[in-house]
Amino acid sequence: NAGVTQTPKFQVLKTGQSMTLQCAQDMNHEYMSWYRQDPGMGLRLIHYSVGAGITDQGEVPNGYNVSRSTTEDFPLRLLSAAPSQTSVYFCASRSDKNTEAFFGQGTRLTVV
Amino acid sequence: TQLLEQSPQFLSIQEGENLTVYCNSSSVFSSLQWYRQEPGEGPVLLVTVVTGGEVKKLKRLTFQFGDARKDSSLHITAAQPGDTGLYLCAGAGGSARQLTFGSGTQLTVLP
Repeated sequence: NAGVTQTPKFQVLKTGQSMTLQCAQDMNHEYMSWYRQDPGMGLRLIHYSVGAGITDQGEVPNGYNVSRSTTEDFPLRLLSAAPSQTSVYFCASRSDKNTEAFFGQGTRLTVV
Repeated sequence: TQLLEQSPQFLSIQEGENLTVYCNSSSVFSSLQWYRQEPGEGPVLLVTVVTGGEVKKLKRLTFQFGDARKDSSLHITAAQPGDTGLYLCAGAGGSARQLTFGSGTQLTVLP
């Protein structure tokens, strides 16, 4: 049972580089979200989607883009990496807005 | 924006002690979820409380949802080193389509 799969697990970027964090789920969930986790700040929502073709901004969307072309995949793009984007990124999915969220194992990103 | 405040942020106790973690908001939620996160892993759901005043027990963990569905608490009885981890509350539903997470409580239980 794969659940939510995130890749890569670790990444180091130079300032100004771009990259895409991948997220895939095999549970046919409509809701998918991206969070970043920084010390002492819990999980902050970056972007989310309530279904294929529908995305919306969360609490901290600046510097990130998302798309949802299929139910399964929800990639997060960093357009021009900055040191402030050093964080641990989590992707999550759930079947609707009141149900349990299933998380990937996270991507630890360092921007130097 | 719906906000959830968790307290305390850090808690270090001896094995066998009891503890309570609080999760408070000015917003009403349809349900309140509690997650536990271990190092290098994503959060995993412990429990969901839905009804105002609801109390749920999971072995030594007791979860309560406030009558007004704005706050919740997690009480651990006779804590064990295996309870060590980051505990996160999350509000669901209401006017928001996304989960709102609290800032977390880092619990360390010393043997």
